[in-house]
Amino acid sequence: DTEVTQTPKHLVMGMTNKKSLKCEQHMGHRAMYWYKQKAKKPPELMFVYSYEKLSINESVPSRFSPECPNSSLLNLHLHALQPEDSALYLCASSQAGQGVIEQYFGPGTRLTVT
Amino acid sequence: ELKVEQNPLFLSMQEGKNYTIYCNYSTTSDRLYWYRQDPGKSLESLFVLLSNGAVKQEGRLMASLDTKARLSTLHITAAVHDLSATYFCAVDHRDFGNEKLTFGTGTRLTIIP
Repeated sequence: DTEVTQTPKHLVMGMTNKKSLKCEQHMGHRAMYWYKQKAKKPPELMFVYSYEKLSINESVPSRFSPECPNSSLLNLHLHALQPEDSALYLCASSQAGQGVIEQYFGPGTRLTVT
Repeated sequence: ELKVEQNPLFLSMQEGKNYTIYCNYSTTSDRLYWYRQDPGKSLESLFVLLSNGAVKQEGRLMASLDTKARLSTLHITAAVHDLSATYFCAVDHRDFGNEKLTFGTGTRLTIIP
């Protein structure tokens, strides 16, 4: 199984809502990533988890809160978002540690904040 | 801060023609990846280039890496419409001990019949 799954595929939320994005992989990968991609732009790294511990936070606003409950799951909790947070949110996973670290991407969640 | 630049940003080419997309990066790295993205879709891995002089080919696409020049190329041979997509290179590098990918600006390729 070389698949990374993400739910939901689409999400529309108001600025006062709380919602969560979910990501799952069963490849035994111990590194998982959240990226944000605005239209016609490259993906931008938000967070990296390595062995279920947060290893990189790219100065992401606190209204985005990641969580890695186990080695297969990654969540992104959303609260009090702004319209400019509307984007495609991509999850990825890879082997952890040094060496070749090819990342496998999920299909993404398209988020619209109204 | 690592910079990864691609050119051209937009490329419109006729079917059957050849062209090259360039990816320049500003730091030392031995690993570079090429991804394809169709509109509204996720990223599909095309090539993993692991060392200086690496060359990989798949169908009408060929990628190469020159780590000394900090340059990778993606060459398209006899383009067909199905290759229309946005292509990203991504550089694997260490930042304060953590491995991370930084993506290039992307090249939007349109193949015209």
